[in-house]
Amino acid sequence: AQSVTQLDSQVPVFEEAPVELRCNYSSSVSVYLFWYVQYPNQGLQLLLKYLSGSTLVKGINGFEAEFNKSQTSFHLRKPSVHISDTAEYFCAVIPDGSGNTGKLIFGQGTTLQVKP
Amino acid sequence: DADVTQTPRNRITKTGKRIMLECSQTKGHDRMYWYRQDPGLGLRLIYYSFDVKDINKGEISDGYSVSRQAQAKFSLSLESAIPNQTALYFCATSAAYTQYFGPGTRLTVL
Repeated sequence: AQSVTQLDSQVPVFEEAPVELRCNYSSSVSVYLFWYVQYPNQGLQLLLKYLSGSTLVKGINGFEAEFNKSQTSFHLRKPSVHISDTAEYFCAVIPDGSGNTGKLIFGQGTTLQVKP
Repeated sequence: DADVTQTPRNRITKTGKRIMLECSQTKGHDRMYWYRQDPGLGLRLIYYSFDVKDINKGEISDGYSVSRQAQAKFSLSLESAIPNQTALYFCATSAAYTQYFGPGTRLTVL
């Protein structure tokens, strides 16, 4: 079955430092990949998505992610984080062949804690 | 105004009670979804709907039912609430492979 694994439940980092949030998925077929962010007491919003084309995807707020098919990974990166980036981050996939249902399979989430 | 709204935002109820969570959207999307979020488990899909006449079960539909009253409205019901249904519930719409989430309803079942 399709699954998504976020390798770190919490990532503490100092302000202005770089960060990488790791995501691996299990699939033998092409997938559509997403990162969503959830700020405290809010719903989720899309950071970025990979559907096809260039494997390096740029999103909002300076985030980017790289699709690596051979390693079935879609890690999220930011070169310099701000206090306002403190949030929970979710990796998600729509398995190809799911009949265009748009259903998302989410990872467990990673809490990014940016310290001053 | 928010594109996807949920009511109530917070609800405390007792075991065995029937409860309805409501979702409305102004984005004009046909596709709507209900998820629940539990710490350490991410979000899991309860039900989804492609239009008023097309409703489908997700991975954790047991104990839940839904109603799509109109394109803009999608309600989730717990017929007889139990404590392990305590969670944060999200409604979402989608178009072009992007989902748009409401602010969530925090439900506590005592």
